[in-house]
Amino acid sequence: SAVISQKPSRDICQRGTSLTIQCQVDSQVTMMFWYRQQPGQSLTLIATANQGSEATYESGFVIDKFPISRPNLTFSTLTVSNMSPEDSSIYLCSAEKTVTDTQYFGPGTRLTVL
Amino acid sequence: GESVGLHLPTLSVQEGDNSIINCAYSNSASDYFIWYKQESGKGPQFIIDIRSNMDKRQGQRVTVLLNKTVKHLSLQIAATQPGDSAVYFCAENWRAAAGNKLTFGGGTRVLVKP
Repeated sequence: SAVISQKPSRDICQRGTSLTIQCQVDSQVTMMFWYRQQPGQSLTLIATANQGSEATYESGFVIDKFPISRPNLTFSTLTVSNMSPEDSSIYLCSAEKTVTDTQYFGPGTRLTVL
Repeated sequence: GESVGLHLPTLSVQEGDNSIINCAYSNSASDYFIWYKQESGKGPQFIIDIRSNMDKRQGQRVTVLLNKTVKHLSLQIAATQPGDSAVYFCAENWRAAAGNKLTFGGGTRVLVKP
């Protein structure tokens, strides 16, 4: 398994601002992912963070709103840009060591936009 | 407490009884299935997985059953304990050209009564 940490654990932000969430894995992993979990809902995949290339976004999510970086095999960031109250959610990072491995999740970042 | 599980179906179980959580999946090409447990304020935690070439897998106090004919997955928890109170998600994995895709079910909240 992989131990995954996220920073910040929670934040309260004003609309129109941006927040960058960091995800750190304790060992090298092949794949990293970002999910959104809206209040009382299940998890929805935002994008796959690719090391050395642009992230792959799912339908309904765009790079301008959710820019993602993955500079190496243990670290990724997700930025929530120009936030509105509708962006209030839990944002979760996950990772898998190999393509046949299970995805393990970080503790999440709880974002509230006022 | 956190907002996870507020709007999800709830299974109330007496402590010591067995719990059965059901999940329907959608993609017949999915080759790998995972059950996650999410406690309040935490990220999803891996419980047990099963590959599509199996129909049953047992872990410690948990059993997963897979019925590919009707695309149905279930999680059985034996002798349910207060610590089992959480939201449980099934997830199906299929391999797209860009890599693994994990799709989560809606989730079930399990409430263990003492």
